[in-house]
Amino acid sequence: AQSVTQLDSHVSVSEGTPVLLRCNYSSSYSPSLFWYVQHPNKGLQLLLKYTSAATLVKGINGFEAEFKKSETSFHLTKPSAHMSDAAEYFCVVSDQKGSQGNLIFGKGTKLSVKP
Amino acid sequence: DARVTQTPRHKVTEMGQEVTMRCQPILGHNTVFWYRQTMMQGLELLAYFRNRAPLDDSGMPKDRFSAEMPDATLATLKIQPSEPRDSAVYFCASGLVLAGATDTQYFGPGTRLTVL
Repeated sequence: AQSVTQLDSHVSVSEGTPVLLRCNYSSSYSPSLFWYVQHPNKGLQLLLKYTSAATLVKGINGFEAEFKKSETSFHLTKPSAHMSDAAEYFCVVSDQKGSQGNLIFGKGTKLSVKP
Repeated sequence: DARVTQTPRHKVTEMGQEVTMRCQPILGHNTVFWYRQTMMQGLELLAYFRNRAPLDDSGMPKDRFSAEMPDATLATLKIQPSEPRDSAVYFCASGLVLAGATDTQYFGPGTRLTVL
Protein backbone atom coordinates (compact mmCIF):
# COMPACT_ATOMS: atom_id res chain seq x y z
CA ALA A 1 0.00 0.00 0.00
CA GLN A 2 1.07 3.52 -0.66
CA SER A 3 1.89 5.85 2.22
CA VAL A 4 3.72 9.05 3.04
CA THR A 5 5.54 10.04 6.20
CA GLN A 6 6.24 13.65 6.98
CA LEU A 7 9.16 13.54 9.32
CA ASP A 8 8.48 16.78 11.17
CA SER A 9 5.14 17.91 12.52
CA HIS A 10 6.46 21.44 13.06
CA VAL A 11 9.34 23.38 11.50
CA SER A 12 10.35 26.87 12.55
CA VAL A 13 12.69 29.07 10.50
CA SER A 14 13.68 32.70 10.41
CA GLU A 15 12.66 34.92 7.54
CA GLY A 16 15.26 34.81 4.78
CA THR A 17 16.67 31.41 5.77
CA PRO A 18 16.20 28.16 3.81
CA VAL A 19 13.21 25.91 4.28
CA LEU A 20 13.37 22.11 4.28
CA LEU A 21 10.25 20.03 4.82
CA ARG A 22 10.93 16.32 4.72
CA CYS A 23 8.76 13.62 3.23
CA ASN A 24 9.34 9.92 2.65
CA TYR A 25 6.99 7.79 0.65
CA SER A 26 6.27 4.12 0.24
CA SER A 27 4.98 2.79 -3.03
CA SER A 28 5.15 -0.43 -4.98
CA TYR A 29 5.28 1.38 -8.29
CA SER A 30 6.38 4.75 -9.64
CA PRO A 31 4.06 7.12 -7.87
CA SER A 32 2.80 10.59 -8.53
CA LEU A 33 3.78 12.87 -5.67
CA PHE A 34 2.43 16.23 -4.67
CA TRP A 35 2.93 18.96 -2.14
CA TYR A 36 -0.09 20.96 -1.04
CA VAL A 37 -0.15 24.04 1.19
CA GLN A 38 -2.93 25.13 3.51
CA HIS A 39 -2.94 28.63 4.92
CA PRO A 40 -4.96 29.23 8.09
CA ASN A 41 -8.69 28.88 7.53
CA LYS A 42 -8.20 28.20 3.83
CA GLY A 43 -8.50 25.24 1.52
CA LEU A 44 -5.57 23.24 0.19
CA GLN A 45 -3.63 24.60 -2.75
CA LEU A 46 -1.31 22.66 -5.00
CA LEU A 47 2.33 23.73 -4.69
CA LEU A 48 3.87 21.27 -7.13
CA LYS A 49 3.63 17.74 -8.46
CA TYR A 50 5.94 15.03 -9.71
CA THR A 51 4.73 12.64 -12.39
CA SER A 52 7.89 10.82 -13.55
CA ALA A 53 9.26 13.55 -15.76
CA ALA A 54 12.10 15.64 -14.33
CA THR A 55 13.13 14.61 -10.82
CA LEU A 56 13.52 18.24 -9.73
CA VAL A 57 10.13 19.86 -9.73
CA LYS A 58 9.57 23.58 -9.45
CA GLY A 59 6.39 24.89 -7.94
CA ILE A 60 4.75 28.15 -7.06
CA ASN A 61 6.12 30.76 -4.67
CA GLY A 62 9.73 29.64 -5.13
CA PHE A 63 9.28 26.14 -3.76
CA GLU A 64 10.80 23.06 -5.32
CA ALA A 65 11.06 19.38 -4.52
CA GLU A 66 13.37 16.63 -5.64
CA PHE A 67 12.24 13.08 -6.24
CA LYS A 68 14.91 10.64 -5.04
CA LYS A 69 13.90 7.08 -5.76
CA SER A 70 16.90 5.56 -4.00
CA GLU A 71 15.95 7.35 -0.80
CA THR A 72 12.17 7.20 -1.36
CA SER A 73 12.10 10.88 -0.53
CA PHE A 74 10.36 13.94 -1.90
CA HIS A 75 11.58 16.80 0.30
CA LEU A 76 10.27 20.32 -0.21
CA THR A 77 12.71 23.22 -0.20
CA LYS A 78 12.83 26.96 -0.63
CA PRO A 79 16.03 29.02 -0.56
CA SER A 80 14.64 31.91 1.45
CA ALA A 81 11.57 31.86 3.67
CA HIS A 82 9.03 34.63 3.60
CA MET A 83 6.55 35.47 6.32
CA SER A 84 3.73 34.55 3.94
CA ASP A 85 5.06 30.98 3.76
CA ALA A 86 3.78 30.28 7.27
CA ALA A 87 1.21 27.54 6.70
CA GLU A 88 0.70 23.81 6.89
CA TYR A 89 2.24 21.68 4.16
CA PHE A 90 1.06 18.25 3.08
CA CYS A 91 3.06 15.66 1.20
CA VAL A 92 0.77 13.50 -0.91
CA VAL A 93 1.15 10.29 -2.93
CA SER A 94 -1.21 8.86 -5.50
CA ASP A 95 -3.09 5.76 -4.48
CA GLN A 96 -2.63 2.44 -6.27
CA LYS A 97 -1.70 2.97 -9.88
CA GLY A 98 -3.41 6.29 -10.06
CA SER A 99 -6.38 5.00 -11.97
CA GLN A 100 -8.75 5.73 -9.13
CA GLY A 101 -7.54 9.26 -8.66
CA ASN A 102 -7.20 8.90 -4.91
CA LEU A 103 -4.51 10.70 -3.01
CA ILE A 104 -2.93 9.65 0.26
CA PHE A 105 -2.14 12.64 2.47
CA GLY A 106 0.60 12.91 5.04
CA LYS A 107 -0.14 14.25 8.51
CA GLY A 108 1.17 17.67 7.59
CA THR A 109 4.07 19.88 8.66
CA LYS A 110 3.31 23.23 10.18
CA LEU A 111 5.83 25.84 9.06
CA SER A 112 6.39 28.88 11.26
CA VAL A 113 8.44 31.82 10.01
CA LYS A 114 9.99 34.18 12.55
CA PRO A 115 10.75 37.80 11.66
CA ASP B 1 -10.17 31.40 -12.93
CA ALA B 2 -12.11 28.17 -12.37
CA ARG B 3 -12.44 27.02 -8.79
CA VAL B 4 -14.41 24.69 -6.57
CA THR B 5 -17.09 26.41 -4.55
CA GLN B 6 -18.67 25.22 -1.33
CA THR B 7 -21.67 26.40 0.63
CA PRO B 8 -22.19 27.25 3.37
CA ARG B 9 -18.74 28.37 4.52
CA HIS B 10 -19.77 28.12 8.16
CA LYS B 11 -22.56 26.19 9.84
CA VAL B 12 -23.49 26.03 13.50
CA THR B 13 -26.23 23.62 14.42
CA GLU B 14 -27.56 21.65 17.33
CA MET B 15 -27.13 17.97 17.86
CA GLY B 16 -29.78 15.97 16.06
CA GLN B 17 -30.32 18.46 13.27
CA GLU B 18 -29.82 17.69 9.61
CA VAL B 19 -26.89 19.35 7.86
CA THR B 20 -26.45 19.61 4.10
CA MET B 21 -23.22 20.83 2.53
CA ARG B 22 -22.96 21.64 -1.15
CA CYS B 23 -20.12 21.67 -3.62
CA GLN B 24 -19.84 22.88 -7.19
CA PRO B 25 -16.89 21.18 -8.88
CA ILE B 26 -14.84 22.72 -11.65
CA LEU B 27 -16.58 22.38 -14.98
CA GLY B 28 -15.17 19.45 -16.94
CA HIS B 29 -13.80 17.58 -13.96
CA ASN B 30 -15.06 14.01 -13.74
CA THR B 31 -14.18 13.16 -10.14
CA VAL B 32 -15.40 14.74 -6.91
CA PHE B 33 -14.02 14.00 -3.46
CA TRP B 34 -15.30 14.77 0.02
CA TYR B 35 -12.80 15.12 2.87
CA ARG B 36 -13.09 15.89 6.55
CA GLN B 37 -10.35 17.65 8.48
CA THR B 38 -9.97 17.69 12.25
CA MET B 39 -7.08 18.46 14.53
CA MET B 40 -7.04 14.92 15.86
CA GLN B 41 -7.46 12.91 12.65
CA GLY B 42 -6.06 15.26 10.06
CA LEU B 43 -7.47 14.96 6.54
CA GLU B 44 -9.72 11.97 5.93
CA LEU B 45 -11.28 10.91 2.65
CA LEU B 46 -14.99 10.32 3.15
CA ALA B 47 -16.25 9.50 -0.34
CA TYR B 48 -15.68 10.15 -4.01
CA PHE B 49 -17.56 10.07 -7.28
CA ARG B 50 -16.54 9.44 -10.85
CA ASN B 51 -18.84 10.74 -13.58
CA ARG B 52 -21.45 11.25 -10.83
CA ALA B 53 -21.38 7.58 -9.77
CA PRO B 54 -20.23 6.80 -6.24
CA LEU B 55 -16.97 4.85 -6.31
CA ASP B 56 -16.08 4.60 -2.68
CA ASP B 57 -17.72 5.81 0.48
CA SER B 58 -15.95 3.53 2.90
CA GLY B 59 -14.61 6.49 4.85
CA MET B 60 -18.07 7.68 5.73
CA PRO B 61 -20.19 6.67 8.74
CA LYS B 62 -23.00 5.01 6.81
CA ASP B 63 -25.70 5.36 9.41
CA ARG B 64 -25.74 9.14 9.37
CA PHE B 65 -23.79 10.40 6.37
CA SER B 66 -24.86 10.35 2.75
CA ALA B 67 -23.27 11.79 -0.37
CA GLU B 68 -24.86 12.35 -3.76
CA MET B 69 -24.28 14.02 -7.08
CA PRO B 70 -27.68 14.96 -8.46
CA ASP B 71 -25.99 16.47 -11.51
CA ALA B 72 -22.54 17.24 -12.81
CA THR B 73 -22.50 20.69 -11.24
CA LEU B 74 -23.57 19.75 -7.72
CA ALA B 75 -22.33 17.37 -5.06
CA THR B 76 -23.96 17.16 -1.64
CA LEU B 77 -22.92 15.75 1.70
CA LYS B 78 -25.65 15.27 4.23
CA ILE B 79 -25.47 14.41 7.92
CA GLN B 80 -28.64 13.26 9.65
CA PRO B 81 -28.74 13.36 12.61
CA SER B 82 -25.67 15.43 13.37
CA GLU B 83 -23.56 14.84 16.47
CA PRO B 84 -20.93 16.98 18.22
CA ARG B 85 -18.17 14.62 17.00
CA ASP B 86 -19.06 15.64 13.43
CA SER B 87 -17.65 19.09 14.10
CA ALA B 88 -14.90 19.56 11.53
CA VAL B 89 -14.03 21.31 8.30
CA TYR B 90 -15.44 19.50 5.29
CA PHE B 91 -13.64 19.95 2.00
CA CYS B 92 -14.78 19.16 -1.47
CA ALA B 93 -12.22 18.64 -4.21
CA SER B 94 -12.54 17.93 -7.90
CA GLY B 95 -10.18 16.63 -10.53
CA LEU B 96 -9.91 15.13 -13.99
CA VAL B 97 -8.92 11.50 -13.72
CA LEU B 98 -8.20 9.68 -16.94
CA ALA B 99 -7.22 6.05 -17.38
CA GLY B 100 -3.97 5.38 -15.58
CA ALA B 101 -3.33 8.99 -14.68
CA THR B 102 -3.77 10.79 -11.40
CA ASP B 103 -4.24 14.47 -11.90
CA THR B 104 -4.30 17.28 -9.42
CA GLN B 105 -7.18 17.65 -7.02
CA TYR B 106 -8.50 21.18 -6.66
CA PHE B 107 -9.92 21.98 -3.26
CA GLY B 108 -12.77 24.21 -2.28
CA PRO B 109 -12.52 26.60 0.69
CA GLY B 110 -14.32 24.19 3.01
CA THR B 111 -17.40 24.22 5.22
CA ARG B 112 -16.64 24.69 8.90
CA LEU B 113 -19.28 22.72 10.80
CA THR B 114 -19.91 23.11 14.52
CA VAL B 115 -22.43 20.83 16.16
CA LEU B 116 -23.42 21.93 19.67
